[in-house]
Amino acid sequence: DADVTQTPRNRITKTGKRIMLECSQTKGHDRMYWYRQDPGLGLRLIYYSFDVKDINKGEISDGYSVSRQAQAKFSLSLESAIPNQTALYFCATSDSGPLRTGWDEQFFGPGTRLTVL
Amino acid sequence: DQQVKQNSPSLSVQEGRISILNCDYTNSMFDYFLWYKKYPAEGPTFLISISSIKDKNEDGRFTVFLNKSAKHLSLHIVPSQPGDSAVYFCAASFYSGGGADGLTFGKGTHLIIQP
Repeated sequence: DADVTQTPRNRITKTGKRIMLECSQTKGHDRMYWYRQDPGLGLRLIYYSFDVKDINKGEISDGYSVSRQAQAKFSLSLESAIPNQTALYFCATSDSGPLRTGWDEQFFGPGTRLTVL
Repeated sequence: DQQVKQNSPSLSVQEGRISILNCDYTNSMFDYFLWYKKYPAEGPTFLISISSIKDKNEDGRFTVFLNKSAKHLSLHIVPSQPGDSAVYFCAASFYSGGGADGLTFGKGTHLIIQP
C-alpha cells in the first residue's frame, strides 16, 4: 500500500463548483503540504501544516483553503473553481524529528489531475 | 521572481556517459538543497540532498555539488542508465525558526538517456 494517497486521481469539474481533494498518509509524519504543478512551472506550494492545529499559507494560497482533520489527513478545497486552477496537485509529508534532513525530505503522493472547464 | 532556476528544460545523454544537471538560486537564505526525480503519472521522489555547510554529497551513482559563492548546484549521474530518464527538480529550503516552511522548486529538467 502507498504511504501517501490522494483521492480522486482525476477530476473534471465546471467553473464555480466547489471541489475537495483529499490526502491521507500512513507514514506517521506531522508535516503535510499541498503543491500544484503547471506545465513548465515546476511545483508551487499552496498550503502547509506542521500539525493538526497549525496551518500556513504558501506561495499561491489565493482561491484555496485547507483542513487538517487529523494527523494523517489533509484536504485541499477550491471554494469556487476557475479554469486557471487546472493543474496537477500533489500532497506531500515530512518528518518533524530532530534531524533537518527529515524536515525537508518530503514524500509525495501520486497526484490529482484537476481540470476546470 | 524565480528563486530556484533550472535553465535547461531538457538534456539528452548517451547511456554510460555522465549526466550533469544544473541549478541556480537567488535567495541567500536557502540552506538546504534537494534533488527530486519524477516519472510520468507519479509523484516526485527524493533523490539526494546537501546542506549549505557542505560542498559535496555522494550517494552511489549520484553526486550533488554546491558552490555557495556562485549560488549554484549541480547533480552528476555516473554512469547514466536508461532508468534515469525522468524529470529532475531542484529544490531549496531555509529554516525560519518554526521549521522548514516547504520547498521552493525549479521548473525541472527532462533528462533523456539514449541507448
